[in-house]
Amino acid sequence: AQTVTQSQPEMSVQEAETVTLSCTYDTSESDYYLFWYKQPPSRQMILVIRQEAYKQQNATENRFSVNFQKAAKSFSLKISDSQLGDAAMYFCAYRNTGNQFYFGTGTSLTVIP
Amino acid sequence: GAGVSQSPSNKVTEKGKDVELRCDPISGHTALYWYRQRLGQGLEFLIYFQGNSAPDKSGLPSDRFSAERTGESVSTLTIQRTQQEDSAVYLCASSLRQANEKLFFGSGTQLSVL
Repeated sequence: AQTVTQSQPEMSVQEAETVTLSCTYDTSESDYYLFWYKQPPSRQMILVIRQEAYKQQNATENRFSVNFQKAAKSFSLKISDSQLGDAAMYFCAYRNTGNQFYFGTGTSLTVIP
Repeated sequence: GAGVSQSPSNKVTEKGKDVELRCDPISGHTALYWYRQRLGQGLEFLIYFQGNSAPDKSGLPSDRFSAERTGESVSTLTIQRTQQEDSAVYLCASSLRQANEKLFFGSGTQLSVL
């Protein structure tokens, strides 16, 4: 079975600064999809960014970008120009070709004004 | 509807009682997932429905847990003889069949077993 590991239970960043959240995964598949989800206190999970494993180019969505290292099975999330509204739990997720999703244990991000 | 709807948003029950949680997925979404999230923890997979195929029940923690889905519509998660360790947020998500499609989540049901 695939596993997803987030080794940073908590992170903090100064407003307007940059922070990187780590994620590694274990799989024997070559075709899969990776996601970062954000969960604010409202509990509503929101997609931040996604990456197809067959694409070498790192995905970018405004202030959010990923560093996808397929050989190393690493998928980190970089948040630039951090804002107070970025404070939330962040979950890394892996989706296999069988449409099964696996989630990491999450990283709690605090943004310091 | 516009999004995934879950009800109730909060449920308080006594140990030993049965509870039923409901999820209305986005119309047209063939895939539906249930997850459990204990306080401060990650998402624990429970069950996955895909169209009319047999559901993947591999995540259900015990035979007290069951779920049903009628076609590609509403799903109910039933917990029988609730225990205190069942207290958690139960999240439902739906998605289209395509592998690159994201999950759309509901706001969850906070279950508290006293």
